[in-house]
Amino acid sequence: DTEVTQTPKHLVMGMTNKKSLKCEQHMGHRAMYWYKQKAKKPPELMFVYSYEKLSINESVPSRFSPECPNSSLLNLHLHALQPEDSALYLCASSQGALNYGYTFGSGTRLTVV
Amino acid sequence: GQQVMQIPQYQHVQEGEDFTTYCNSSTTLSNIQWYKQRPGGHPVFLIQLVKSGEVKKQKRLTFQFGEAKKNSSLHITATQTTDVGTYFCAGRNPGAGSYQLTFGKGTKLSVIP
Repeated sequence: DTEVTQTPKHLVMGMTNKKSLKCEQHMGHRAMYWYKQKAKKPPELMFVYSYEKLSINESVPSRFSPECPNSSLLNLHLHALQPEDSALYLCASSQGALNYGYTFGSGTRLTVV
Repeated sequence: GQQVMQIPQYQHVQEGEDFTTYCNSSTTLSNIQWYKQRPGGHPVFLIQLVKSGEVKKQKRLTFQFGEAKKNSSLHITATQTTDVGTYFCAGRNPGAGSYQLTFGKGTKLSVIP
C-alpha cells in the first residue's frame, strides 16, 4: 500500500464545476508535488511545494490552484476545467526536494465532461 | 530546456530473456532516478544514482550511471511476468531548476510467458 493517500480515486466533473483533489502523507516528508499524467505518457510536473512554500509552478493554467495547508496535506483546487484536462493526477512526496526518491500516491483519475 | 530521451519505447520479451532500457540527457545530470509503473498503477521509486560511473544492483535489476552523468541504463536479467510495466528514468539538473525532475517517455515492457 502506498503511504501517500489521494482522494477521491475517481472524479467526473462538468466544465462549470469546482472540485478539490486531496493528498496526505505522514512520512514527515517536506516536499510535495502534483503531477499530471495522460495515457501512455510520462508524468508532467505541475507544482512543487518545499517546506510548505510553492517552489515551482510549471506555467499551469490558473484553473488549477494548489494549496498546502500544512506539511502533511496538499490540495489541488479545480475550477472551470476543459475536457483536455482529463488525466490521472498524481501526488508525490519526498524527504527533501533535491536528492530523494518520490513516493507517489495512487492518483485521482479525473474526467471532465 | 532539459530533455531526457529514453529508448526503446516498447519491448516485448519472452520470459527468461534479458531486457535493457536506456536513458540519455542533453545536459549533465546531478542524479537520475528510476521508477516502475504497473498497468493501471502509479510510479514506484526503484533507485537513485548520483555518482559518475555508479552501478547498483537490486536482485535481477542492474542500474548504471554513465561517466559523464548524461546517460543511464536499467538491465533486467531473466525477466519474469512480474516485471511487466513501464520503466521511467527521471533526471535532475544541477543548480538552477534543480527541483525539476524530468521524466523520460518510458519503456513499456511486455513479458510473454
